[in-house]
Amino acid sequence: DAKTTQPPSMDCAEGRAANLPCNHSTISGNEYVYWYRQIHSQGPQYIIHGLKNNETNEMASLIITEDRKSSTLILPHATLRDTAVYYCIVRVADYKLSFGAGTTVTVRA
Amino acid sequence: DVKVTQSSRYLVKRTGEKVFLECVQDMDHENMFWYRQDPGLGLRLIYFSYDVKMKEKGDIPEGYSVSREKKERFSLILESASTNQTSMYLCASSLWIRFNEQFFGPGTRLTVL
Repeated sequence: DAKTTQPPSMDCAEGRAANLPCNHSTISGNEYVYWYRQIHSQGPQYIIHGLKNNETNEMASLIITEDRKSSTLILPHATLRDTAVYYCIVRVADYKLSFGAGTTVTVRA
Repeated sequence: DVKVTQSSRYLVKRTGEKVFLECVQDMDHENMFWYRQDPGLGLRLIYFSYDVKMKEKGDIPEGYSVSREKKERFSLILESASTNQTSMYLCASSLWIRFNEQFFGPGTRLTVL
């Protein structure tokens, strides 16, 4: 399994873009990058995933480098409700997820 | 919107009791999962099911069993609760073809005294 490295915490200002990095230098060709988040006292929430190409949905954008060894989750206009722990997970599509420590993101007014 | 509901938000049980945690999803998902979450250990998969009456062990199945008699319902059973099973239990579901796009319930905080 490819291991991921995320910063333990980061702050960002409300209304600004939040850029969350993730390193996964041992990723295999068939492994996807998944992002989840967990707001305090709630279950995790799926955000987005990708294989090679950049992806965007209503919640966020995912930028994967060409060599696939790192990625960045972008929350375009962070709000206070985006304060959460964000998990970057690298997995093949049909194998069970494994949640690490994640990045605690605090959005400040 | 996918909705995953869990029978209780908080539960307190005594050592040795049989405990049932129920999970229901309303989006016709084939896959259902049970996790537990503990500080410093993250989320750990207990069991999952990809079809009615089918189950697969996760990373920490010891002390637990599961039941899936209907597609929408997945139960986690603690046959004889112990204090080390005090934890947050999270249920999730996903479509067969989107195994890892999982939708989670709000969790059940179980305390075993």
